[in-house]
Amino acid sequence: NAGVTQTPKFQVLKTGQSMTLQCAQDMNHEYMSWYRQDPGMGLRLIHYSVGAGITDQGEVPNGYNVSRSTTEDFPLRLLSAAPSQTSVYFCASSYSVFDRLPGYTFGSGTRLTVV
Amino acid sequence: AQKVTQAQTEISVVEKEDVTLDCVYETRDTTYYLFWYKQPPSGELVFLIRRNSFDEQNEISGRYSWNFQKSTSSFNFTITASQVVDSAVYFCALTLNSGGSNYKLTFGKGTLLTVNP
Repeated sequence: NAGVTQTPKFQVLKTGQSMTLQCAQDMNHEYMSWYRQDPGMGLRLIHYSVGAGITDQGEVPNGYNVSRSTTEDFPLRLLSAAPSQTSVYFCASSYSVFDRLPGYTFGSGTRLTVV
Repeated sequence: AQKVTQAQTEISVVEKEDVTLDCVYETRDTTYYLFWYKQPPSGELVFLIRRNSFDEQNEISGRYSWNFQKSTSSFNFTITASQVVDSAVYFCALTLNSGGSNYKLTFGKGTLLTVNP
């Protein structure tokens, strides 16, 4: 089924460990982005990409790296996990110009706990 | 910069009551999209509606209705005859709609709606 696939769904890390959250879409969307959701804070933009090879920082980029070597994939890397990165992470994609609804397609989320 | 305010952090109602979730937005741009999403306890984001800034018509979909008023920068969401299955966190969000600037959504902090039987 077409959509945004995020893996893993759950992850527990120890402080200082590194990991990569995977995000893949098969809709040929130009735009991809990562959000984190914390209680009472809504969703906040971490990093985004407007095309392969182009990435930029969002509202809360510290502690995260991204790259986009293909249109389909947009991984999010935590180089040295900290407890403050405990959160739920959502990946989203869209066309640069909205056509049919809904506009954005979200992955099902990754619940990350850093101990 | 864009901003979305959902002043109601939590709302609790009894089943069959009507409930309105408020959303106020700020942007200097004249072209934008507004969204509502539902996040049930299972955690996924469920798309409810997208509204273009040029279209101020209210919309009704079953028990759901939306009131978009540019004069007050509000995009309120009403659930009529609420049901227990409506219990969720609801997010209002905004993105710009000019020159491919829709690369990001600005979310409100969400409103937790609890519908009690």
